[in-house]
Amino acid sequence: GDSVTQMEGPVTLSEEAFLTINCTYTATGYPSLFWYVQYPGEGLQLLLKATKADDKGSNKGFEATYRKETTSFHLEKGSVQVSDSAVYFCALYSGAGSYQLTFGKGTKLSVIP
Amino acid sequence: NAGVMQNPRHLVRRRGQEARLRCSPMKGHSHVYWYRQLPEEGLKFMVYLQKENIIDESGMPKERFSAEFPKEGPSILRIQQVVRGDSAAYFCASSPNRLATDTQYFGPGTRLTVL
Repeated sequence: GDSVTQMEGPVTLSEEAFLTINCTYTATGYPSLFWYVQYPGEGLQLLLKATKADDKGSNKGFEATYRKETTSFHLEKGSVQVSDSAVYFCALYSGAGSYQLTFGKGTKLSVIP
Repeated sequence: NAGVMQNPRHLVRRRGQEARLRCSPMKGHSHVYWYRQLPEEGLKFMVYLQKENIIDESGMPKERFSAEFPKEGPSILRIQQVVRGDSAAYFCASSPNRLATDTQYFGPGTRLTVL
């Protein structure tokens, strides 16, 4: 079945540090890939997405590239801010007769001044 | 354009009581998905509904849980005879079409606490 594996958290970074959160997946067919962000006490917000191999999703300084050869969709940001502190979820939609998003367990990021 | 709305935001129930969670999708969206998030876990799919139809309930527990999305009004997730293990955040999402490359838009969630 479909699955998403994210790097374990929590991750603590200083402001302006470089961020990478690893995400790999297993899926049938050619899935669409997503990163969602959850701020404390809130629901999930779509951060970025990519729908085919080699696509790069980007938003608010975050980027992720859909790598079919390594089945990965790593999230990166060049310079994090305190306001980026949140839980980040990698997710996929396989589209192979499925109607659901499959999520990773989430990675909690804390950015300290 | 209002986003996905869920109420209540917080719900406390005693063991054995019933919990009703409501979800109003975004305007123009006719596809609703329910997910459950247990502490320290990712979201797990429960059920997918279109108006008046359950399309996929493969993630729903076989007992005590039910969902509906009537022609008029919000989608309802109903949990009968709640137990402590039902304590979780329940999120609703909606999309304008069946999810392919369409994005699912999430509500703020209902945090259920069972005493």
